[in-house]
Amino acid sequence: AQSVAQPEDQVNVAEGNPLTVKCTYSVSGNPYLFWYVQYPNRGLQFLLKYITGDNLVKGSYGFEAEFNKSQTSFHLKKPSALVSDSALYFCAVRAGAGSYQLTFGKGTKLSVIP
Amino acid sequence: EAGVAQSPRYKIIEKRQSVAFWCNPISGHATLYWYQQILGQGPKLLIQFQNNGVVDDSQLPKDRFSAERLKGVDSTLKIQPAKLEDSAVYLCASSPSGIHEQYFGPGTRLTVT
Repeated sequence: AQSVAQPEDQVNVAEGNPLTVKCTYSVSGNPYLFWYVQYPNRGLQFLLKYITGDNLVKGSYGFEAEFNKSQTSFHLKKPSALVSDSALYFCAVRAGAGSYQLTFGKGTKLSVIP
Repeated sequence: EAGVAQSPRYKIIEKRQSVAFWCNPISGHATLYWYQQILGQGPKLLIQFQNNGVVDDSQLPKDRFSAERLKGVDSTLKIQPAKLEDSAVYLCASSPSGIHEQYFGPGTRLTVT
């Protein structure tokens, strides 16, 4: 069975500082990895994905994530945090081509302090 | 481009009552998903449609939940009878196919009292 772990329930960072939201996964075969963001009372918004190729993927709003196969991790990063980045972030995984089920982590609440 | 539409946005019912949710996916998206998101947890897939056929309903509590996708476009999710533990946000998502990223609607917040 595939699974996702987001070890931090909450991450606090000062505005302008770099931020990292951690994600590790477990899946059979090659993973497809995704990050989504959820603002209050709104649905999830897609940020970025890793399917294959370059381990560093860039997404919306200046976010990027690094795929590390040996550590089975896919941490979300941003060089300089904005107050407007404060939201709930979800990592998700599916087991490559031919697999349909997307499994989400429990989410990490990011708070950017002015 | 219009996003995924869901209605209603909020619903309060008593246990043992029935409720239905509606979803209109992004035009042209063949794959449609229903998720249940309980407070403090990530979304859990209930059912996935490819056009109007079911691809995965392994986590759908079939004794009380049902879903259909008419003509491969709109979809409805029904709960009958509802239980207290069904209180959650029900999210609908769509994608061009099963391998692409998913686009989510705003969700329906269900409270069962």
